[in-house]
Amino acid sequence: AQSVTQLGSHVSVSEGALVLLRCNYSSSVPPYLFWYVQYPNQGLQLLLKYTSAATLVKGINGFEAEFKKSETSFHLTKPSAHMSDAAEYFCAVSPQYGNKLVFGAGTILRVKS
Amino acid sequence: ETGVTQSPTHLIKTRGQQVTLRCSSQSGHNTVSWYQQALGQGPQFIFQYYREEENGRGNFPPRFSGLQFPNYSSELNVNALELDDSALYLCASSGVGERAGELFFGEGSRLTVL
Repeated sequence: AQSVTQLGSHVSVSEGALVLLRCNYSSSVPPYLFWYVQYPNQGLQLLLKYTSAATLVKGINGFEAEFKKSETSFHLTKPSAHMSDAAEYFCAVSPQYGNKLVFGAGTILRVKS
Repeated sequence: ETGVTQSPTHLIKTRGQQVTLRCSSQSGHNTVSWYQQALGQGPQFIFQYYREEENGRGNFPPRFSGLQFPNYSSELNVNALELDDSALYLCASSGVGERAGELFFGEGSRLTVL
């Protein structure tokens, strides 16, 4: 069985500061890992994905994540927060690419001016 | 390129009723997945359809059922509604080729069960 733990249901950063959203996963098989963003009253949008190629994955809007097998982590970072980054972020794991995604509970990112 | 569209966007039902939610997949996509997102939680996988056949199911009871049509659009049916079925229901489609496996989500159908 697979599971995802997102540490911190709410994270607050100042505009221009580093964004770090934490995700730890549990998987009995080599995982596929994803980060999605959800803006209010909208569906989810894929930020980036790990599919066993490079361990450092770059996504859209300046976000990136690093797969660390030894730590079973896939933390999301962005060097400089922008007001438009305020949203809810979900980490997800899947045993099969694109099927049966297991999502974490989400982290709401607040960006202060 | 038309995105994933869902209908209705909002609906209210009473306990015991039945509901049908609809999803049109993105152009060129042959796989549709459904997720339930309760308030304050992450989405939970209900099931996936590939070329009109169920291709994986999550931990949901049989009163949650689905269909996929030849044009790859899909329906989610829920019978005997319970209060806990109140949630945002998300449909996602995925296709073939380089971006196979990437899910493109619609904006969801928000169901309230009274």
